[in-house]
Amino acid sequence: QSVLTQPPSASGTPGQRVTISCSGSSSNIGTNFVYWYQQLPGTAPKLLIYRNNQRPSGVPDRFSGSKSGTSASLAISGLRSEDEADYYCAAWDDSLRGFVAFGGGTKLTVL
Amino acid sequence: EVQLVQSGAEVKKPGESLRIPCKGSGYSFTSYWISWVRQMPGKGLEWMGRIDPSDSYTDYSPSFQGHVTISIDKSISTAYLQWSSLKASDTAMYYCARLGDGYSLVDYWGQGTLVTVSS
Repeated sequence: QSVLTQPPSASGTPGQRVTISCSGSSSNIGTNFVYWYQQLPGTAPKLLIYRNNQRPSGVPDRFSGSKSGTSASLAISGLRSEDEADYYCAAWDDSLRGFVAFGGGTKLTVL
Repeated sequence: EVQLVQSGAEVKKPGESLRIPCKGSGYSFTSYWISWVRQMPGKGLEWMGRIDPSDSYTDYSPSFQGHVTISIDKSISTAYLQWSSLKASDTAMYYCARLGDGYSLVDYWGQGTLVTVSS
């Protein structure tokens, strides 16, 4: 049982816009930044969004993040086949020192 | 270029011990915390704990406290994850990951070490 709640799956066709939600509580998303990671099949995760809505260099602007209260969302516009991957949200959780809460992951399928 | 390099896959028997390394390069190793994350087969990411390389201060997730040990050898810029007695349920991919500036989460990941525990 993950601390942050994500839908297990999402899908879209090429060119579409899809969103993935991440729900938490006041001890994690409610008070800390949200991060998103992309894990392509058979590879290590990669930082996609940091501090709610910032993109590291090299991440296309098709990817965007937002946060409101104790929930966050990742949006992918202009969906491409190479976006098919698992996506994880994460945030520090203040209920335990040095603890990071992860979402259970959302498998994105590009139809 | 920041790199975290992990060792190759390990196959062990239940009850055996194991220590897997994670070598950092391309940055000031003692300036950034290192964390470990577990991914069981077909499952999601789980936070195991973190270590401050400057003084070896460590935090563990309650789920892993007492079962694993995270340590550092800063003379060779290497973090370790260690088990004294492996169980079949420890079979998983283990990632080391660097925590970013300030109170940031992971910004760089190692490639992972697959640990298989089977009799």
